[in-house]
Amino acid sequence: GAGVSQSPRYKVAKRGQDVALRCDPISGHVSLFWYQQALGQGPEFLTYFQNEAQLDKSGLPSDRFFAERPEGSVSTLKIQRTQQEDSAVYLCASSSQGGYGYTFGSGTRLTVV
Amino acid sequence: GDSVTQMEGPVTLSEEAFLTINCTYTATGYPSLFWYVQYPGEGLQLLLKATKADDKGSNKGFEATYRKETTSFHLEKGSVQVSDSAVYFCALSEGNQGGKLIFGQGTELSVKP
Repeated sequence: GAGVSQSPRYKVAKRGQDVALRCDPISGHVSLFWYQQALGQGPEFLTYFQNEAQLDKSGLPSDRFFAERPEGSVSTLKIQRTQQEDSAVYLCASSSQGGYGYTFGSGTRLTVV
Repeated sequence: GDSVTQMEGPVTLSEEAFLTINCTYTATGYPSLFWYVQYPGEGLQLLLKATKADDKGSNKGFEATYRKETTSFHLEKGSVQVSDSAVYFCALSEGNQGGKLIFGQGTELSVKP
């Protein structure tokens, strides 16, 4: 596609519910990143894939967070047993080469009530 | 660890005023430096970048110079427009981390006609 597509655009979850956030990167982009952006803050790194390999998951805040990219294209970020502190915008970005050619999606705004 | 610090906002300017948004960084190696912009309701967009000391990045009338001696990458524009109203993020990327970006907290700019 022309850009990075994320869905849903907005998600309201009850505390304790599981959620799945989807990212469709630009076709052919090898690298895929997930970031979490709390209100009024800069994005914070969560995890990074190169093709289907998850090379860095050091930013995932707890074992309730899980990301996958099984075929090296679409990625899903799953959050189990959501908590209020998980409320944030989750951004996905893809790149044909690491570091300099990022394209960000518009994000999914998750609100946990 | 690596970090980025930006001047706090919001910054409010009149149209055609001069803009400076300060950014300083802490890094163990020789990072690449970036400015991203987030317009209301849109995703993050790369504004400009510099990959080594003394490089000047420029785009759309904005510019920033990579100053290794002062670990700074201040964003400047000579004459702002109402359409420049957005949130601006300074970021760095270490070359050995797969392109992971570390962001500052963002500076909101509001330009009044």
